Order: sequence, then C-alpha cells, then structure tokens
Amino acid sequence: DAGVIQSPRHEVTEMGQEVTLRCKPISGHDYLFWYRQTMMRGLELLIYFNNNVPIDDSGMPEDRFSAKMPNASFSTLKIQPSEPRDSAVYFCASSFRRDSPLHFGNGTRLTVT
Amino acid sequence: QKEVEQDPGPLSVPEGAIVSLNCTYSNSAFQYFMWYRQYSRKGPELLMYTYSSGNKEDGRFTAQVDKSSKYISLFIRDSQPSDSATYLCAMSASGAGGTSYGKLTFGQGTILTVHP
Repeated sequence: DAGVIQSPRHEVTEMGQEVTLRCKPISGHDYLFWYRQTMMRGLELLIYFNNNVPIDDSGMPEDRFSAKMPNASFSTLKIQPSEPRDSAVYFCASSFRRDSPLHFGNGTRLTVT
Repeated sequence: QKEVEQDPGPLSVPEGAIVSLNCTYSNSAFQYFMWYRQYSRKGPELLMYTYSSGNKEDGRFTAQVDKSSKYISLFIRDSQPSDSATYLCAMSASGAGGTSYGKLTFGQGTILTVHP
C-alpha cells in the first residue's frame, strides 16, 4: 500500500503565479479531503469529495482556490493567482468510507514570495 | 473562541514518564474523537479513535473522553524518544446532510519531546 501520494513535496512560486497541487488517494477510498496547515490556524479543512463529487467546499478561503477530482485516483487543488498568505503545508487525505479513519499524505509545502 | 482548544506546549519529559495530553471543546455536537501523531515533515497519522464518552486503551496509549465536561485526554505510558512528535486532537460531529466522520476539527497540536 503506497498510501496517499502528493506532489510536489515543495513548491516555491512568486505572487500572482498559478499553483497546482496534486493528490493520488489510496485505491478504493471513496472520500478525499484537502486540508491546509499553518502555524497560526493549525489544520483546516478546505474541501472534501465523495465518489469524485465535491460535497462541502465551505472551507475554501476564496475564489482563487479551486479543486477538482476528475476520477477516483486523482485530485488537484489550484490557486490562481497565488498570494504570500497562501504559504502553508497542504495535505490531502482519503478514507475508505464515511466512518473510516483518514489517511494523510506527507503534504506539499507551498511558499509564495 | 476556537471550537477546540489544545495547549501547544512544548512538553519535555524524560524517557519512561507518563505523558498527559488534553483538549477541550465547545461544540456539543462532536461525537467522534481522535488523536493523531505528526512527525516533522510528515502527515498526521491516526493513533486513537473513540466514539462518545469513555476510555480506550491500545498498548501504551489510553484515550479518555468526558462529554459532560467537553474534555478529552491522551495518556502515554512508558514514553520513548520515538514518541517525540506533535500530537493533535481532532473531533467530528455525526449527523444527517452528508456530514462525514472525516470532516474533522483539529486542535493546534502539542509538541512533545521525550529525552533519553
């Protein structure tokens, strides 16, 4: 079991650029979550999907953020345009079903200068 | 006021000590309670999961939930240097409307160091 795979591990970009983060959930998991972790705010849920359908995106901070899940094995989180305050570690997690534990990837550390 | 409050520490203990980590919360709808461990540069990994009030033991780890006081604890017995990490409490409300167990609210995390 390869676990949840995220890419890239690190991303450094300039303000105003588009950033795309990628996630491959564990095969067979029906739920996929995007979280953001900062020192100030801790871990926050941004959006989650069930069977590739976005269920709750109330945590997405602004219209600059968008997430897609075109199939069961791939999801993207896009920020356009990026701003310095978007600097954080972004985690993807997946779970088998509604009452199963979440399995987190190792995150993407984003720095926007 | 945050929904979940957790003392960030840092907490430093000698090897073999008993460690007590705690969280308080304000949302009475929370039904599922979890503890995650996060090593540096890694994602959180689930340590313990409990539903509603009560105790749960797994090896050196014991999780306690007191819903009447809105208070949860994690105890680590015979702590080891490999337990050095950030410990995060997390909670979720069950309910209709598609609310998922996985929609977690996290505490800020407590940094624990166990020195030999």
